[in-house]
Amino acid sequence: GAGVSQSPSNKVTEKGKDVELRCDPISGHTALYWYRQSLGQGLEFLIYFQGNSAPDKSGLPSDRFSAERTGGSVSTLTIQRTQQEDSAVYLCASSLIPGLAAETQYFGPGTRLLVL
Amino acid sequence: SQQGEEDPQALSIQEGENATMNCSYKTSINNLQWYRQNSGRGLVHLILIRSNEREKHSGRLRVTLDTSKKSSSLLITASRAADTASYFCATAPRVGATNKLIFGTGTLLAVQP
Repeated sequence: GAGVSQSPSNKVTEKGKDVELRCDPISGHTALYWYRQSLGQGLEFLIYFQGNSAPDKSGLPSDRFSAERTGGSVSTLTIQRTQQEDSAVYLCASSLIPGLAAETQYFGPGTRLLVL
Repeated sequence: SQQGEEDPQALSIQEGENATMNCSYKTSINNLQWYRQNSGRGLVHLILIRSNEREKHSGRLRVTLDTSKKSSSLLITASRAADTASYFCATAPRVGATNKLIFGTGTLLAVQP
C-alpha cells in the first residue's frame, strides 16, 4: 500500500476485556515497530519485528501485552485484560531494511485506545 | 524511559518568524531524527542526521547535531500557520541490535497567522 495502515482507528473497551490492534506495514518493509503514546509517558517503544521474529520485546510493559507478525507483513498487538492505564495511542511503524542504523521509520496514523 | 528532552515545551510565534527547537539526549547514537505530529496521531518524518554529520538542510528546515554536547536543534525558517504541530526528536541508540527510536518529550509549536 501507499503507507502504513492501522485498524481500528479508535477502540473503546471495558476494563478487563482483550483487544487486538492491527498494523499493515508498507509493502516490502521487513522491519516493523510498535510504539505507544500516552499523556503521562510520551512516546515509548514497545516491540520490534525483523521479518516474523521479534528480537527486541524490551518495551512491552507487562505480560498482558503480546504481538505477532505473520508472513513478514501484518502484525497484531494484543492486550489482554485491559486496564485503564493502557489507554493511549498505539502507533505502528515500518522500515525497509532492518539493521541499518540510518533507516527511516514510517509511521501509521495510530489506534486510539480508551479503556473505561 | 525516554532518553530525549526537548525545549521549549511550547513555542508560539508569528507567521514569517523562525522557530528553533532544541533536543538533548543521553547515550551514544547512530543517528537523530526529527518528526512532526499533527493532532496527536501519525508521525511524519522530517529529517535524519547521522552521528558523523554536524548540519543538514531540507527546504526550510535546518538541523544541527553536536555529539560532544549530546544535543540537536531544529530550525524552521519563514514559518507558516501550517507548521503548527508537535515536533519530536528521536534517537537511534548505538547500543543494541534494534533500530528502535527513543523519543524526546516534544515541542508544541503554534504559528499565529
